[in-house]
Amino acid sequence: AQSVTQPDIHITVSEGASLELRCNYSYGATPYLFWYVQSPGQGLQLLLKYFSGDTLVQGIKGFEAEFKRSQSSFNLRKPSVHWSDAAEYFCAVGGLAGKSTFGDGTTLTVKP
Amino acid sequence: SQTIHQWPATLVQPVGSPLSLECTVEGTSNPNLYWYRQAAGRGLQLLFYSVGIGQISSEVPQNLSASRPQDRQFILSSKKLLLSDSGFYLCAWSALLRDTEAFFGQGTRLTVV
Repeated sequence: AQSVTQPDIHITVSEGASLELRCNYSYGATPYLFWYVQSPGQGLQLLLKYFSGDTLVQGIKGFEAEFKRSQSSFNLRKPSVHWSDAAEYFCAVGGLAGKSTFGDGTTLTVKP
Repeated sequence: SQTIHQWPATLVQPVGSPLSLECTVEGTSNPNLYWYRQAAGRGLQLLFYSVGIGQISSEVPQNLSASRPQDRQFILSSKKLLLSDSGFYLCAWSALLRDTEAFFGQGTRLTVV
């Protein structure tokens, strides 16, 4: 069965600092991987996705993620965090019929 | 462009009362439709998904049911709510049968009292 682990429940970074959110997945074949962001009380918005090809993918809002098959990881990064990036971030692996499995999320707090 | 509407945004219901949450999608045909529940501080749990009208698959046993009376309409229901049904409910859609990203509604905060 597919699964996603986000080891960090909560991360705090200073505004302007770099960010890396970790994601590890378990999937029997080539995975389809996603990162979503959720503001409080809102739905989820897709940041980026990996299906195949270049293992470094660019997303919206200046985010990028790198797929590393050998480590079963798909970590999300941003060079310089803005206060508006404070939110909850979910990593997901896609399955049949579009049924994605989500991690438990990482809450990002940005210090001024 | 495609849009997804979910309502109501918040709902407070007494234990034992019925529930009906509605979700509609515009701008696409034959979408896959999903209901997820998100408990506080937790990830998303898939409750139901549908690949077509009248076709519902349940992922977890529970007090809820789902129906898809029209191609772009997905309804989450309960005959008698339990306290444990409280949570944040999200409707989502994705294209066809490919492994593809999901597009989410704004969610419904359900509090059962």
